[in-house]
Amino acid sequence: SYVLTQPPSVSVAPGETARVTCGGNNIGSKSVHWYQQKPGQAPVLVIYYDRDRPSGIPERFSGSNSGNTATLTITRVEAGDEADYFCQVWDISSDHYVFGTGTKVTVL
Amino acid sequence: QMQLQESGPGLVKPSETLSLTCSVSGGSISSPSNYWGWIRQPPGKGLEWIGSIYYSGSSYWNPSLKSRVTISVDTSKSQFSLRLSSVTAADTAVYYCARHGGYCSTTSCSFTEFDYWGQGTLVTVSS
Repeated sequence: SYVLTQPPSVSVAPGETARVTCGGNNIGSKSVHWYQQKPGQAPVLVIYYDRDRPSGIPERFSGSNSGNTATLTITRVEAGDEADYFCQVWDISSDHYVFGTGTKVTVL
Repeated sequence: QMQLQESGPGLVKPSETLSLTCSVSGGSISSPSNYWGWIRQPPGKGLEWIGSIYYSGSSYWNPSLKSRVTISVDTSKSQFSLRLSSVTAADTAVYYCARHGGYCSTTSCSFTEFDYWGQGTLVTVSS
C-alpha cells in the first residue's frame, strides 16, 4: 500500500521558516492536502490541492509538490503555529485515503 | 457554517460493536458534492481513514478495516453512523467524522480534502 513519510519533528525559531516534508513514491502525481492539529483539537485543513489555502488560513502557509516530495512551508513562524502537521493523499490504485506519519513543529 | 458532532458510548467492551453517530448541521447531508467520512486517531498516534458514505447510501472503506465496518446514512435526520464490530484494545481511539468531496465511477473513486471536522469523541475498548 502507498506510504507517506514525514519527519517526526521540526524545530524553528520565531520569525523563521519551517518546512515540513511528505515523501511518497511519485507523490507529485497526486493531490496533497495538509492538516494542522493542536493538542486536544480536531485537525484543521491548512493546504489543499498541493498549494491552495482555505479561507482564514494565513498567507504564511504555503505548499508545493513535485517528484517524490511534497512540502508545507510556514514563513514568519509564530508560537501559535506549534502543532502536529499531517499530509494526506487519495491513493487511486487502492481506492483509499492515506495519511502521513505526522510532524510535530516546535517553536523554540 | 457547517458543523459536525459525534455522539455515542465512550466505553465499549472487547469483542462487542462500537457504534457512533455524526450529526450534520449548517448544510445539507444530501448535497451531491459531499461525502461523509470517519477517521480515527489512537492516543498519541496518527490519523487513519475508516470509511466514507454518500447520501445515496454508497459506502467505501479502508481495506484494512472493511470486514468489520458498516457505515450508514439517515438523510431525514441529517446523520450518518459508524459500526465497528469485534473491537479490541487496538480500536481505542478518538473517532472523528468529517466532510469531503470527490466522485466515484463504477470502477473507482477520487476523493478530496476533509474540510469540515467534528470535535472528535474518545472511545475506549476495555472490560
